[in-house]
Parts: sequence; C-alpha cells; structure tokens
Amino acid sequence: GEDVEQSLFLSVREGDSSVINCTYTDSSSTYLYWYKQEPGAGLQLLTYIFSNMDMKQDQRLTVLLNKKDKHLSLRIADTQTGDSAIYFCAESTGSGGSYIPTFGRGTSLIVHP
Amino acid sequence: EPEVTQTPSHQVTQMGQEVILRCVPISNHLYFYWYRQILGQKVEFLVSFYNNEISEKSEIFDDQFSVERPDGSNFTLKIRSTKLEDSAMYFCASTQEGQGRYQPQHFGDGTRLSIL
Repeated sequence: GEDVEQSLFLSVREGDSSVINCTYTDSSSTYLYWYKQEPGAGLQLLTYIFSNMDMKQDQRLTVLLNKKDKHLSLRIADTQTGDSAIYFCAESTGSGGSYIPTFGRGTSLIVHP
Repeated sequence: EPEVTQTPSHQVTQMGQEVILRCVPISNHLYFYWYRQILGQKVEFLVSFYNNEISEKSEIFDDQFSVERPDGSNFTLKIRSTKLEDSAMYFCASTQEGQGRYQPQHFGDGTRLSIL
C-alpha cells in the first residue's frame, strides 16, 4: 500500500529558511499536498502540486517535487514564530475519481528566536 | 471564510459506551469525510459519504462505526461500543465535489475522544 514518510521534528531560527522533506512510495501519486496543523486546530491545506510539475511557489512557500526519487519538500522562506506547527505531507492517486489523501505522521516545526 | 465545525472538542467516555461525534460541514459541500489520528501516529482515513450513502471506507471502519446525515446540516460518526484503542483525535472534512475533479478538503478542528 501507499506510504508517506517524513521526519518528526525540525528546529530553525526565526528568519532562516525551513525545509521539510517527505518521501512517498506510490509511483501513481497524482496529487501531493502539504497541510499545516496549529495547536488545537484542524488540518489546513497550505498548497498542493500535481505530479507533472517540478515546482510550485506561493509567496514564502516553495514546493519541490522529484518524481523520480518520490521526494517532496516544502521550503518556508523567512520563517516566523507563527509558522510553528505540525506540517503533514500527503499524496493521493486520483484513481477512480477518489482523492482520499494518505498522510505522513507530520513534522513538528519549532521556530525559536 | 466558511468553516467545518465539530462538537464536542473533547469527549470522555467509559469503555463499552456508545459515542456520537458531530460535524457541521460547509453548507454547499456535498462530500463528507471522517479521519482519525491516534496520538503520535498518522492521520488515517475512515470513511467518505455522498448522497446519503458511504462512498468509500477503510479497513478501520468496521461494524462498530456508522455515519449518518440526520438532517440537512449535521454529519455524525457513531462508535457503538467504544474500546480503549478508539482514543484518538477525530477529524471531519468536506469538499464541494469529490468525484472526477480535485477539490481540496476543508477540515474541522477535531474532537479528541478519550476512552477510560
């Protein structure tokens, strides 16, 4: 079955860039997502990328996809304390019209002054 | 911006008791989902629901679980006889469409279910 793996913790200094990495196993993945979960809140979709794209940029966020290595990364430029949260990588295949995502365990991003 | 709302935020129940978790999806959304996250583990898909019936379910969603849309606004998850391993955060989500075209899922803030 599909599997999505990501490291559990990342600590960065405020103002630095953060890079959160993710690997997945399903070569038929069509959509890859990054969700953010703040304490006590639900999952908020930050961005997603189609598998036929290599990169997507949205303000401070840059998503890079290496489909050959099945590696997805999220770069947050100029990381702020408000970026402290858990970031979930997820993928879905879209087969049969189903877009149910498979999630990783989440990476806790800790931003310190 | 419209939100998915879930109640209660925290539910404590004795093992063996029935529990109902409630969700109000975004009003013009047609597809509804339940997920759960056991502490420290991955977010896992439980079930999706469309047009008053289950459209997909995972292996986790066994006979102990059921879902219902009792009226035009609520979407509920019932666990008939709770077990200790049902302790988790349960998330509801909804999308405007679900078949044939990608739509991002909007999640609620979750209900933390604690089984004693």
